[in-house]
Amino acid sequence: QQQVKQSPQSLIVQKGGISIINCAYENTAFDYFPWYQQFPGKGPALLIAIRPDVSEKKEGRFTISFNKSAKQFSLHIMDSQPGDSATYFCAATPSGDALNFGKGTSLLVTP
Amino acid sequence: EAGVTQSPTHLIKTRGQQATLRCSPISGHTSVYWYQQALGLGLQFLLWYDEGEERNRGNFPPRFSGRQFPNYSSELNVNALELEDSALYLCASTLEQGAWEPQHFGDGTRLSIL
Repeated sequence: QQQVKQSPQSLIVQKGGISIINCAYENTAFDYFPWYQQFPGKGPALLIAIRPDVSEKKEGRFTISFNKSAKQFSLHIMDSQPGDSATYFCAATPSGDALNFGKGTSLLVTP
Repeated sequence: EAGVTQSPTHLIKTRGQQATLRCSPISGHTSVYWYQQALGLGLQFLLWYDEGEERNRGNFPPRFSGRQFPNYSSELNVNALELEDSALYLCASTLEQGAWEPQHFGDGTRLSIL
């Protein structure tokens, strides 16, 4: 059973646009929500992460929005660039335990 | 600082054989996690080791096993290989078992079963 649901499966955004990826979870024991970026042939790289005690976290062009009551969180990539083209995974975990991943979003940023 | 290193990069086996995959965590990291990334199935948790002990196990058959050595490196063993075991096997490490420690991944071992 998929514990974290991610959408969309794929996304095409023009350069300079905003990319938005959404995730939802059910397990209220989850208290750590990271996002990973993966390029072909590479392992996932941690992009940004949030804890449930904050509603938003921003690092450069990347922002996580977190809605605890709705059990949803999303990644916003501002001013998307062709170099951002990759697969993005959201994940959730109860502290220190294994990550439960969404199925991934393949992002293509067109020039 | 070196990241998580995995070996070999690629491994080709036939059905019924056994495979051993290796992982060296980031220096100072004591927890090691193994994940399987199969086409169409996403990233699925296999095993978690911390301080030499197995802490948790994902929904995989017992022919998937592993261990963690005193230097915190880890080994994943897959016995009686099946075609559906073909996947990228990823290892991740964290500084210590605890709240909100990020998991850092290696680039994986691509296991192909013929």
